[in-house]
Amino acid sequence: SQTIHQWPATLVQPVGSPLSLECTVEGTSNPNLYWYRQAAGRGLQLLFYSVGIGQISSEVPQNLSASRPQDRQFILSSKKLLLSDSGFYLCAWSGAGLVYSNQPQHFGDGTRLSIL
Amino acid sequence: GQQVMQIPQYQHVQEGEDFTTYCNSSTTLSNIQWYKQRPGGHPVFLIQLVKSGEVKKQKRLTFQFGEAKKNSSLHITATQTTDVGTYFCAGPVWGTYKYIFGTGTRLKVLA
Repeated sequence: SQTIHQWPATLVQPVGSPLSLECTVEGTSNPNLYWYRQAAGRGLQLLFYSVGIGQISSEVPQNLSASRPQDRQFILSSKKLLLSDSGFYLCAWSGAGLVYSNQPQHFGDGTRLSIL
Repeated sequence: GQQVMQIPQYQHVQEGEDFTTYCNSSTTLSNIQWYKQRPGGHPVFLIQLVKSGEVKKQKRLTFQFGEAKKNSSLHITATQTTDVGTYFCAGPVWGTYKYIFGTGTRLKVLA
C-alpha cells in the first residue's frame, strides 16, 4: 500500500533562518506531488506542485521554493524565513492519472511551523 | 480566477441533528472531491463525484453533484461526535493537475 511521510511534525524557527521540509512517498511511482499551507482555522493554499522529477509549478509568489530531486521526494525550502511563513504545511500525493485532476489526493501528517 | 466557496463557514449542531454543507464553484467542474479534516489532523479523502446529478452515500453521509456541475453538497444524517471536523470540497483547475479547495465548513457536534 502507498504511504506518505512528512517531517518534522513541529518546528520552531527564528526569523531569518533557513527551512527544509521533506516529504517522501512509498508504494507508488511517478506520483503528482503537492505542497499546501494552511493558516490556523483556514483553508488550504496550494504552494507548489510537481508532475515529475525536476519539474516544479509555483502557485504563489513567496519566500519559499520547492524541489523534486527524486521521483518520490518533494522538498520545501526557504533561505530566510519570515513571520508570515508560520502555518501548517501539508504534503500530498496523487496518482498521475490519464487525464487532468481526477485522482484523489492523499495527505501527510503535516508540519506545524512557528516563526519567532 | 476560479473560486470555490463553501457555506456555512461554521455549524454547531446537537448530536443527532442533521448537517449540510454546500459547495459552489465559479466554473463548471469535471468532478468534485470531498475531504474531512479532524481537529489537529490532515485532510482525508472521502469521495469523488463525476457525473451530473450524481448522488453517492457513505453510511450517514450523502454527497450530491449538481446538474450543472457547478455545485455540490454533503449531508450528514443524525450527526455523531465523531463527525466533528472541517469538511472541504475541491474542484479541479481545468487543464492542470491541481485542485482548488473550498473555504471549508467547520462542524462542531454538541453531545
